[in-house]
Amino acid sequence: EVQMVQSGAEVREPGDSLKISCKGSGYSFTNYWIGWVRQMPGKGLEWMGIINPRDSDIKYSPSFEGQVTISVDKSISTAYLQWSSLRDSDTATYYCARHDLPRQCSSISCPWGSWFDPWGQGTLVTVSS
Amino acid sequence: EIVMTQSPATLSVSPGERATLSCRAGQSIGNFLAWYQQKPGQTPRLLISGASTRATGIPVRFSGSGSGTEFTLTISSLQSEDFAFYYCQQYYVWPYTFGQGTKVEIK
Repeated sequence: EVQMVQSGAEVREPGDSLKISCKGSGYSFTNYWIGWVRQMPGKGLEWMGIINPRDSDIKYSPSFEGQVTISVDKSISTAYLQWSSLRDSDTATYYCARHDLPRQCSSISCPWGSWFDPWGQGTLVTVSS
Repeated sequence: EIVMTQSPATLSVSPGERATLSCRAGQSIGNFLAWYQQKPGQTPRLLISGASTRATGIPVRFSGSGSGTEFTLTISSLQSEDFAFYYCQQYYVWPYTFGQGTKVEIK
């Protein structure tokens, strides 16, 4: 069974750093990209970015570039999302999901994108002083 | 960025009835559209990709149609477990964008 298992809920203060994780299992980890999606309280879904575990190639959404860092450690089949200085507005649930892009895709060029399936259980990040 | 607009925001339906959800893209996206279901407090689940292809394990009462800018998700006979939020997502071009969601509630 393909599974994406995320790290647990976090509570931090503004200005803190944070790194959350997402471990893929049940499939060949380097054959699929991993995506991150934000859901603020009571709101919809927002795409943050995707990473290719094979070579750590990353494509960020313009809305999140410079605000977060996506990384991966393929030796342990785990992707990460991190912040260097959290803000109150970062309070949200963050989901990772497997993402099946065509083999010829890179962050520079891709003929078309893909959907997200399956999703992790989500990591609730609460930022409050 | 392609804006995805879903309607209605809330759909009140009785169990056993048909539900029709709409998703409109700000520009043509071919059939590069996915639908997701999210129940309260749960993770999103892929229902449909390629505008009309059901994901593995998704009941046949869920169907998707459309291309270009107009898309529809139809639930032929609503079951109790279908009351949830539904989101569309375009993957024609980066940045991927989602619709704001439609809540399907019990009438």
